[in-house]
Amino acid sequence: DAGVIQSPRHEVTEMGQEVTLRCKPISGHDYLFWYRQTMMRGLELLIYFNNNVPIDDSGMPEDRFSAKMPNASFSTLKIQPSEPRDSAVYFCASSFSGGAVLFGPGTRLTVL
Amino acid sequence: GQQLNQSPQSMFIQEGEDVSMNCTSSSIFNTWLWYKQDPGEGPVLLIALYKAGELTSNGRLTAQFGITRKDSFLNISASIPSDVGIYFCAGPTGGTSYGKLTFGQGTILTVHP
Repeated sequence: DAGVIQSPRHEVTEMGQEVTLRCKPISGHDYLFWYRQTMMRGLELLIYFNNNVPIDDSGMPEDRFSAKMPNASFSTLKIQPSEPRDSAVYFCASSFSGGAVLFGPGTRLTVL
Repeated sequence: GQQLNQSPQSMFIQEGEDVSMNCTSSSIFNTWLWYKQDPGEGPVLLIALYKAGELTSNGRLTAQFGITRKDSFLNISASIPSDVGIYFCAGPTGGTSYGKLTFGQGTILTVHP
C-alpha cells in the first residue's frame, strides 16, 4: 500500500502568493484530515472530510484557507494570499470509519 | 477544549536504558493513541488503546490506558538509537470515534549510543 501521498514535499513562496497543497488518501479510507504542525502550536486539526464532504472546518485559521475534496482520491488545501505566519508543516491524513488515522509525509511550507 | 499534557518534554538517555513518558488530560478520553514522528516525516501510529486499564505491547513498546481515562503511559524497554524521535499522545475529541485528534506537545527522545 502506498500510504497517504502529499505533494509537494517542500514549498517556498513569497508573501501574497497562492499556495496549493495536494493529497491522495489511502484507497478505501472515507475520512480525510488536514493537520498543521508548528513549533508554537504543535499539531492541530484544520479540517476533515467524510465521504468527500467537509464535516468540521473549525480549525481553519481564517478565510485565506480553503480545502476541497472533489473525489475520494484527491484533496487540496489552498492558502490565498499566503503570509509568513502560514509557514509550517502541513499533514494530510486518512482513515476508515473507526480506524487509525494514518499520516502522510507532510508538506513543509515556507512563506517569505 | 480538551488538552493533553505530556511529560517529560525531552529525554536524553543512554542506549539500553528503559524510557517512560506519560500523558494526562483534564477530560476523559475513550481512546488513547501513541504516535512517533521521525525528522521530516509524518507521525506514525505505535499503539492504540481502547479500554480503561488496558495494557498493550508492540515489541519493546508498552502502553497503558489509565483507569481514570484521564491518563496514559508509554514505556520503551532497552532503547536503541533508532528510537530517537518525538513521541506524541493523542485522543479523539468532539464526539468522534477516532479521527478528530487532539495531540500532546510531544516528548523529544534522544538516545546516545
